[in-house]
Amino acid sequence: DAMVIQNPRYQVTQFGKPVTLSCSQTLNHNVMYWYQQKSSQAPKLLFHYYDKDFNNEADTPDNFQSRRPNTSFCFLDIRSPGLGDAAMYLCATSMRHTDEQFFGPGTRLTVL
Amino acid sequence: SQQGEEDPQALSIQEGENATMNCSYKTSINNLQWYRQNSGRGLVHLILIRSNEREKHSGRLRVTLDTSKKSSSLLITASRAADTASYFCATDGRSNYQLIWGAGTKLIIKP
Repeated sequence: DAMVIQNPRYQVTQFGKPVTLSCSQTLNHNVMYWYQQKSSQAPKLLFHYYDKDFNNEADTPDNFQSRRPNTSFCFLDIRSPGLGDAAMYLCATSMRHTDEQFFGPGTRLTVL
Repeated sequence: SQQGEEDPQALSIQEGENATMNCSYKTSINNLQWYRQNSGRGLVHLILIRSNEREKHSGRLRVTLDTSKKSSSLLITASRAADTASYFCATDGRSNYQLIWGAGTKLIIKP
């Protein structure tokens, strides 16, 4: 089945220790998104790629970086996690901007 | 920024009853979408309704859209325990690339 996969499902890191979250998709969608979600709040868009074109939201901290080496994979790097970065991180894909989005199961990040 | 406002914030009903959630938005849109999120999981797309549509059905789900009032409603008929989840509306807000999300309605179905 076509799907969006996120690894790991749970990630524990120490304050300031870099962490990388991964997302892969078998849908062959053009757009890949990274969202941060806290405490069942609405998801907050961090950045997205349309193919290789990267778009960073204005209020996304510099601490957060992303890579999309190919159509299928996208990575979220948090260079120096703080306690405030503990959250659920959701990857999503869509064929075009503002089409329905397909979400992965999320990675729950804990920062100690 | 959050365009969508959803009400109620939380809703608790008995299994078998109907559940209605509302979403209001501020700017003109091309489409409005509803998503469901079970606790601790990713979001699942439910329905997309375009600005030229007034009503759409999918199984036990019925979505209405009133562009003059800038509002939408999601009706779940004959609710089941498995419908317990948070429900989010999202609009394109005539923007070029991102969805604008509501704060969500937390629905609890009591057995």
